Amino acid sequence: GAGVSQSPSNKVTEKGKDVELRCDPISGHTALYWYRQSLGQGLEFLIYFQGNSAPDKSGLPSDRFSAERTGGSVSTLTIQRTQQEDSAVYLCASSLDPFTGELFFGEGSRLTVL
Amino acid sequence: QKEVEQDPGPLSVPEGAIVSLNCTYSNSAFQYFMWYRQYSRKGPELLMYTYSSGNKEDGRFTAQVDKSSKYISLFIRDSQPSDSATYLCAMSLTFQGAQKLVFGQGTRLTINP
Repeated sequence: GAGVSQSPSNKVTEKGKDVELRCDPISGHTALYWYRQSLGQGLEFLIYFQGNSAPDKSGLPSDRFSAERTGGSVSTLTIQRTQQEDSAVYLCASSLDPFTGELFFGEGSRLTVL
Repeated sequence: QKEVEQDPGPLSVPEGAIVSLNCTYSNSAFQYFMWYRQYSRKGPELLMYTYSSGNKEDGRFTAQVDKSSKYISLFIRDSQPSDSATYLCAMSLTFQGAQKLVFGQGTRLTINP
């Protein structure tokens, strides 16, 4: 498709389980970002990739969170041993020009941890 | 203190009203200033973008930046029910070879027919 694609769109899991969230950026976009949006809250920066490398991992909330990007394209955000406070919408965005800040967002993956 | 402060609202106005949305920020290193619009259960989309102090107009929307006061605004004229959404201000600075965006909390806006 032409836009940023995220999967799954919805995920319900039990506390303690691991989850993987996938992001397919717009073809050719070199920069890829992960944000988290909790109910009624703004966007919390998690991590960004320039190509396959992640120069800024400062936003990852804990060592249970990790992300990778392969082939300069698809990215996976992994949350291990999920906790209830991890429940949120996880948004992925990509950018053609890393210097303008114009991000194209996917529709998000809504994670609910029971 | 958060780097970017935005009144979360909610804000409810009648159709046709002029809407003013505002953000303040503390980091003078921010270079680019944006407004994103987010409809329910959708990802944010870029609405307005500017990098200098002053006004930028696009149709019914005007973005205003005052770097000396560290204050940005978005004005919506002749507001329509279709403008009902959450509006997020965002500011960026260069970090490690790319733009790092910091978002405000978002203001939930409802335009009543």
